[in-house]
Amino acid sequence: DAKTTQPPSMDCAEGRAANLPCNHSTISGNEYVYWYRQIHSQGPQYIIHGLKNNETNEMASLIITEDRKSSTLILPHATLRDTAVYYCIVRTPTGNQFYFGTGTSLTVIP
Amino acid sequence: GAVVSQHPSWVICKSGTSVKIECRSLDFQATTMFWYRQFPKQSLMLMATSNEGSKATYEQGVEKDKFLINHASLTLSTLTVTSAHPEDSSFYICSAPGRIGGANVLTFGAGSRLTVL
Repeated sequence: DAKTTQPPSMDCAEGRAANLPCNHSTISGNEYVYWYRQIHSQGPQYIIHGLKNNETNEMASLIITEDRKSSTLILPHATLRDTAVYYCIVRTPTGNQFYFGTGTSLTVIP
Repeated sequence: GAVVSQHPSWVICKSGTSVKIECRSLDFQATTMFWYRQFPKQSLMLMATSNEGSKATYEQGVEKDKFLINHASLTLSTLTVTSAHPEDSSFYICSAPGRIGGANVLTFGAGSRLTVL
């Protein structure tokens, strides 16, 4: 599975959009981009995933560049409850193992 | 949606004792489950893949005799930390795969925090 690179930490003002970048320059053609988050002392929570097209669900939007070498997770209106560590993972859709990198610690500031 | 339950949430034990952690898929069947370990301020580390009806597959560097995994049914996997020592104190998290939009997605339990005195 391709390796990902994320900034270690970010801050975002409450109510503003949080844009979390992820670099996956060695991604293969059949690998998806997944995003999870982990609130302190809890299990990770699935957010969204995508292959080529931009995706949106009730939690977030995922923007994948045309060359698929990077992506951005967007939380449109960040709240204090969005403070968490966000993990970007790249892997094939049929594989089962998920390997977590170091993630981005997002702090939403009042 | 899919729910994975872990028990216990917290456990404190004396050094040298064994501790069992249960992971259940509540509303779906899971032939495979995954166990992770997480130390403070670190990321999740995959320990092993639990397979229903067969032996678990352990990641490199994980002691299979130390961390016994049993997947006795399609809804239950257990992790037993044998002869626990303080260095085994950690946050243990299980997960099970489901499908969303044609791709495998993992649902995680809430985790079990083990403290070995």
